[in-house]
Amino acid sequence: LAKTTQPISMDSYEGQEVNITCSHNNIATNDYITWYQQFPSQGPRFIIQGYKTKVTNEVASLFIPADRKSSTLSLPRVSLSDTAVYYCLVGDRTGGYNKLIFGAGTRLAVHP
Amino acid sequence: EPEVTQTPSHQVTQMGQEVILRCVPISNHLYFYWYRQILGQKVEFLVSFYNNEISEKSEIFDDQFSVERPDGSNFTLKIRSTKLEDSAMYFCASSGVGSYGNTIYFGEGSWLTVV
Repeated sequence: LAKTTQPISMDSYEGQEVNITCSHNNIATNDYITWYQQFPSQGPRFIIQGYKTKVTNEVASLFIPADRKSSTLSLPRVSLSDTAVYYCLVGDRTGGYNKLIFGAGTRLAVHP
Repeated sequence: EPEVTQTPSHQVTQMGQEVILRCVPISNHLYFYWYRQILGQKVEFLVSFYNNEISEKSEIFDDQFSVERPDGSNFTLKIRSTKLEDSAMYFCASSGVGSYGNTIYFGEGSWLTVV
């Protein structure tokens, strides 16, 4: 499984755009990139998933360059409720089964 | 939106007692997982389950742990003889089969305190 590296923590202010970059230099051809959000004492919540280029949904965008060795989660106009830990995970999804290995994640603090 | 549900949300048990944590995965999912998170630490993989058998397990998942899908809807994690170090949040998760990859969805967790 590809190892991921992301900043331990980030700070932002309400209304700002936040970009969290994750590096995954050893990503394999069949690997997808998935981001989860976790609040204290809650289960990880799926945010977004992608394979290449750009993916956008109602809460975030995911930018993946052509070499796929990194990815950037973009949160537009964050609010205090976006304070959480964000995990970048990489894993093979072409089959039915996939195991996620969580790192320490990025602890995002949004300030008023 | 379909979700994974877990019971109990919190359980306190005496060391050495057996504990069963229950989960109802998303209804059309085929792959089931248990993860745990000790307070202040990373989310750790315990076990995956497919077609009524374990697909993969971690070093944490020793002989004290077992999983079962007793019927068509429930998925359980049993800890036979709990230890203090088993105190953690346990997350059940499930995933399906799809053409664009298989997203794993997590439940809200069962907080186990061993005293």
